[in-house]
Amino acid sequence: KNQVEQSPQSLIILEGKNCTLQCNYTVSPFSNLRWYKQDTGRGPVSLTIMTFSENTKSNGRYTATLDADTKQSSLHITASQLSDSASYICVVSATGAGSYQLTFGKGTKLSVIP
Amino acid sequence: DVKVTQSSRYLVKRTGEKVFLECVQDMDHENMFWYRQDPGLGLRLIYFSYDVKMKEKGDIPEGYSVSREKKERFSLILESASTNQTSMYLCASSLYGGSGSPYEQYFGPGTRLTVT
Repeated sequence: KNQVEQSPQSLIILEGKNCTLQCNYTVSPFSNLRWYKQDTGRGPVSLTIMTFSENTKSNGRYTATLDADTKQSSLHITASQLSDSASYICVVSATGAGSYQLTFGKGTKLSVIP
Repeated sequence: DVKVTQSSRYLVKRTGEKVFLECVQDMDHENMFWYRQDPGLGLRLIYFSYDVKMKEKGDIPEGYSVSREKKERFSLILESASTNQTSMYLCASSLYGGSGSPYEQYFGPGTRLTVT
């Protein structure tokens, strides 16, 4: 069964600090991996999408890495800001499924405090 | 910018009522989706549609139906609302994806439905 596991479940960091969120998956055959940011009470917003051939992708202070061999991804946030407080969701797509067969992780809830 | 709108941000309905949740996208996307999101469970796909009048069941279709009469509009219907359908409902849209296509899914703001 396709699964996406995220860790930690929740994280509290001080403003200005860096942090790394983890995502392990067993989705096969792998097509692409996405990271979303979801503010409380809002819909998810895409941060990055990485295909099999990409191992790093950045979006401002967010950098995602992908190791397709070990089936792991991480999302690194640099110089955190209060506005980074949100849930971060890892989503993996399987080949042949188009864009509608996605496996969602349960998310990591990040709290950035002053 | 892609815009996905949902008819209500908050909705309160009584058990047994028929409930309609509407979603509209303005980017001519072929695919549209309905998810529900519950604490500790993440997002789960209810139904999706890849074309007008076409639909496919997702992971948890029981108790729900959908309608797509126009390309830009996708409706989720709760035929007889129950308390276990209290949840956040999210609509999304994307371009049609072929094999492995990394097309982005764009989400609406969500509708928080409470069934009492």
